[in-house]
Amino acid sequence: EAGVAQSPRYKIIEKRQSVAFWCNPISGHATLYWYQQILGQGPKLLIQFQNNGVVDDSQLPKDRFSAERLKGVDSTLKIQPAKLEDSAVYLCASRQLRHTQYFGPGTRLTVL
Amino acid sequence: GENVEQHPSTLSVQEGDSAVIKCTYSDSASNYFPWYKQELGKGPQLIIDIRSNVGEKKDQRIAVTLNKTAKHFSLHITETQPEDSAVYFCAAGPMNYGGSQGNLIFGKGTKLSVKP
Repeated sequence: EAGVAQSPRYKIIEKRQSVAFWCNPISGHATLYWYQQILGQGPKLLIQFQNNGVVDDSQLPKDRFSAERLKGVDSTLKIQPAKLEDSAVYLCASRQLRHTQYFGPGTRLTVL
Repeated sequence: GENVEQHPSTLSVQEGDSAVIKCTYSDSASNYFPWYKQELGKGPQLIIDIRSNVGEKKDQRIAVTLNKTAKHFSLHITETQPEDSAVYFCAAGPMNYGGSQGNLIFGKGTKLSVKP
C-alpha cells in the first residue's frame, strides 16, 4: 500500500513570497490533516478535512494560510505571503475511520 | 484546551538498557494516547497507542502505561537497540466509539540516543 505522498520535499523562498504544498493521501482515507512542525517541537494541527469538507481549521492563520481538498482526495496548502516564522516542516497525514493517522515525509520550508 | 508536557527532552542510554519517556495531559476529555517515532527527514510513525479504557499495552519491546487519575502516560522501551535512536512524541486527544478522532495535541518530543 502506497503511503502519504507530499511534494515538494524542500522549498526555500524569500519573505512575502507565496508557496504551495501538495498532498496525496493513502487511497480510501477520508480524513486528511495538515500539521506545522517547528524545529524542536511536536506537530501542531493546522486544518482537518473529512472528504472535501473542513472539520477543524481553528489553528489555521487564515490571513495568510489557505487549504483546499476540492475532490476529497488530494489537498493543497498555500501560504501567501510568507513570514520568517513560517519556516517549518509541513506534514500531511491521512486516516480511515477507527484507524491511526499515517504521516507523509513532510515539506521543509525555509523562509529567508 | 489540551496541554501535553513531555519529559525528558533528551535521553541517552546504552544498548540493552531500558528507556522511559513520560507525558502528562490536562484535558479529562482526552481518551486516546498514541506514541510516534520520528527519524531524521521522515514523518512521524505510530509505534503504539492506548485508549483510556485500559491501563497498559505491550507490543514486543515497547509498552505504554496510562494513569487516568494522575493524567499521565509513559512509554517504556526495553532492550534498546541503536535503531531505536530517534525522536519520540506522545500525543493526547479525544476519540469517540465510532472512531472519529478529534485534534491530537503533541508533546515537544524526546530525542533518544542508544549508544552501542
